[in-house]
Amino acid sequence: DTEVTQTPKHLVMGMTNKKSLKCEQHMGHRAMYWYKQKAKKPPELMFVYSYEKLSINESVPSRFSPECPNSSLLNLHLHALQPEDSALYLCASSRNTGDPGELFFGEGSRLTVL
Amino acid sequence: SQKIEQNSEALNIQEGKTATLTCNYTNYSPAYLQWYRQDPGRGPVFLLLIRENEKEKRKERLKVTFDTTLKQSLFHITASQPADSATYLCALDGADKLIFGTGTRLQVFP
Repeated sequence: DTEVTQTPKHLVMGMTNKKSLKCEQHMGHRAMYWYKQKAKKPPELMFVYSYEKLSINESVPSRFSPECPNSSLLNLHLHALQPEDSALYLCASSRNTGDPGELFFGEGSRLTVL
Repeated sequence: SQKIEQNSEALNIQEGKTATLTCNYTNYSPAYLQWYRQDPGRGPVFLLLIRENEKEKRKERLKVTFDTTLKQSLFHITASQPADSATYLCALDGADKLIFGTGTRLQVFP
């Protein structure tokens, strides 16, 4: 199984809503990532988890809250988002962070904030 | 400041020709560099990784070079096909994280 599964594929939320994005992998990878991608731009790193601990937070606003319940799961909790947060949110995994080799990406969750 | 720039936002070539994409970086000393393909609305897909001590890597119709003196990687697709049309991203390691370049949108027309 070489897949990273993200749910939901599409999400529309208001600025006062609370929602979560979910990501799952069963490749035994110990590093997991959240990237944000706006149209016609490259993916921008948000968070890195290494062995289920948050190792990198790229100064992301607190309205985005990551969680890694176990080595296979990664969540991104969303609260009080702004319209400019609308983007494709990509989850990825790799065997580790030090020399990760290739990153395996999910198909992304397309978020629209109204 | 640190930058990873891919020299063409878009590249149009005819089927059968070789596509050459460029990735230049400044203020990084990467141990490796990777290339990904991304189709619209989908996640990036890994293509090739080349390490700092490697000059060239090949995989089927793909070839990557890495010149740490010039701080540049070249990505070649030989005998290009319309199915190769996509955005191609270079990425390099920057302190335990993978940083992506600006991307080049390749269009191969028949």
